[in-house]
Amino acid sequence: DAGVIQSPRHEVTEMGQEVTLRCKPISGHDYLFWYRQTMMRGLELLIYFNNNVPIDDSGMPEDRFSAKMPNASFSTLKIQPSEPRDSAVYFCASSYSGNTIYFGEGSWLTVV
Amino acid sequence: AQSVAQPEDQVNVAEGNPLTVKCTYSVSGNPYLFWYVQYPNRGLQFLLKYITGDNLVKGSYGFEAEFNKSQTSFHLKKPSALVSDSALYFCAVAPGGYSTLTFGKGTMLLVSP
Repeated sequence: DAGVIQSPRHEVTEMGQEVTLRCKPISGHDYLFWYRQTMMRGLELLIYFNNNVPIDDSGMPEDRFSAKMPNASFSTLKIQPSEPRDSAVYFCASSYSGNTIYFGEGSWLTVV
Repeated sequence: AQSVAQPEDQVNVAEGNPLTVKCTYSVSGNPYLFWYVQYPNRGLQFLLKYITGDNLVKGSYGFEAEFNKSQTSFHLKKPSALVSDSALYFCAVAPGGYSTLTFGKGTMLLVSP
């Protein structure tokens, strides 16, 4: 299996621009997670989906962040407008029926 | 709410020596416990997990972890460290019947030749 696939791997954008991060989970997995990693706060769960339905978005920092999962094989995390404090590594992960969670390689976001 | 503590920011060990990376947890009910490893500029890789059964769990790359319910600990161990084991290690916990994981802050393991 190809694993969880994320794109882009690296993104540098200017403050105020829209950023879209994309994720393809492992085929057959029914849970999808978005995590953010920073030096200050470590790994934080932003939102997760079950069968394409958002279950818990309490970790989404503010209204500038939104996530969608239009089908079982694709999800997006959007930041609009972006701010320098959004600079972080964003991980997508997936699992099957609440079993082991597998992570993608991450999207390194820098907002200048 | 569940939480994980990794009391050491960094662990230093010489190659060939045994290593231990500590983790304690707090969770309601029976915990599901995990260890992940992160190499530089990479995603998190699953190492091992404890769900139920034998308190000693064996995982990838020769790592093992011991679940201790009375001490609410799940320390990661390896009998003989390799330089290539140098990485960032995360402990994670979820309540039984879990969907999501709560991670510790991570412990940097440095193995010197």
